[in-house]
Amino acid sequence: EVQLVESGGGLVQPGRSLKLSCAASGFTFSNYYMAWVRQAPKKGLEWVATISTSGSRTYYPDSVKGRFTISRDNAKSSLYLQMNSLKSEDTATYYCARSLTTVVTRDPFAYWGQGTLVTVSS
Amino acid sequence: DIQMTQSPSLLSASVGDRVTLSCKASQNIYKYLNWYQQKLGEAPKLLIYYTNSLQTGIPSRFSGSGSGTDYTLTISSLQPEDVATYFCQQYNSWYTFGAGTKLELK
Repeated sequence: EVQLVESGGGLVQPGRSLKLSCAASGFTFSNYYMAWVRQAPKKGLEWVATISTSGSRTYYPDSVKGRFTISRDNAKSSLYLQMNSLKSEDTATYYCARSLTTVVTRDPFAYWGQGTLVTVSS
Repeated sequence: DIQMTQSPSLLSASVGDRVTLSCKASQNIYKYLNWYQQKLGEAPKLLIYYTNSLQTGIPSRFSGSGSGTDYTLTISSLQPEDVATYFCQQYNSWYTFGAGTKLELK
């Protein structure tokens, strides 16, 4: 059974940093692209970052480019999101997600974790 | 950026009804369209990918259709467990989600 478990969320002041982690199990982690998706309270979903199987390629929307860094450790089956220069608008539940297949860069998000809440406030 | 517009934002229907949710893209997305279901307090779940492919384990009462800029999710016979918010997502140009349609029982 595919499992994704996020951790590392919490309350952080504007301008500070936070690192999220996602522990994966139940599949061969190194074979799949992985992503982070966020959802502001009672709002819609926003794609935040995607990383290739090896970690050599990363992709971001303009809203977080230059502030957020996605990374992975295939030996530990773990995904990370380093978030710097946090803003109040980054307040959201952050979900770790796995791609549907092993073959394409852009793929549906077939499996999701339960999310970790990040609150940016002074 | 590709914008996704879902309608209606709120839909009330009765058990057994045929329900249709709409999603419109701001440009042609060549069927690169997914549907997700999110129940209260839970993570989203992939229902339909590439317009009309049913994800493993999803009941056959869910189906998708569309092309170009206009797409539809249909529930053939609404069940109580289908109460949720439904999001469409384009992946022709990275990823953009619609704002969602909240489906409730009448």
